[in-house]
Amino acid sequence: EDQVTQSPEALRLQEGESSSLNCSYTVSGLRGLFWYRQDPGKGPEFLFTLYSAGEEKEKERLKATLTKKESFLHITAPKPEDSATYLCAVPRMYSGGGADGLTFGKGTHLIIQP
Amino acid sequence: NAGVTQTPKFQVLKTGQSMTLQCAQDMNHEYMSWYRQDPGMGLRLIHYSVGAGITDQGEVPNGYNVSRSTTEDFPLRLLSAAPSQTSVYFCASSYSGRRAGELFFGEGSRLTVL
Repeated sequence: EDQVTQSPEALRLQEGESSSLNCSYTVSGLRGLFWYRQDPGKGPEFLFTLYSAGEEKEKERLKATLTKKESFLHITAPKPEDSATYLCAVPRMYSGGGADGLTFGKGTHLIIQP
Repeated sequence: NAGVTQTPKFQVLKTGQSMTLQCAQDMNHEYMSWYRQDPGMGLRLIHYSVGAGITDQGEVPNGYNVSRSTTEDFPLRLLSAAPSQTSVYFCASSYSGRRAGELFFGEGSRLTVL
């Protein structure tokens, strides 16, 4: 059974202090890894898809990277508006890309203090 | 575009009552799914659908029914509510193929069962 583990559970940073969030996974074959952002009281919002080891995606202050067993979400010079819970997920079962749903990690709760 | 619309946003039920959570999307997405989110458990897949007339069970389907008579709508029915079904429920939709894991989530429905 696929497992997704995120660390740390919570992270408090000062504005401008860069850091990385980790998502490790155990899958029988890499079929995609997805990053989401969730604000309090809202549904998750899709950020990135990564398919191949070595692949990188960027969006503003966020950069996601992928190795064979884990993914990192790097946050460079964060601002208070980057505060949120960040979730990673992998496809549940046999279909590539998540056609039969995703298995989510429990998330990292990120707080950026001014 | 409204995206994914869920109703109601809040609901309180008594044990044994039944109800339906509504979900509608206006993006012509083939895939739709229901997740529940509980503290310390993360998002877990309840049921999903890959197209009108096709549904399947996810990780935690017991106590829930779904149907997909149209592309736009994917209601979730609680047959006989139990306190263990107290949770926040999210409906999501996505394109088919390699983008199936890029989910568009609704705002959520917060359910309390007394």
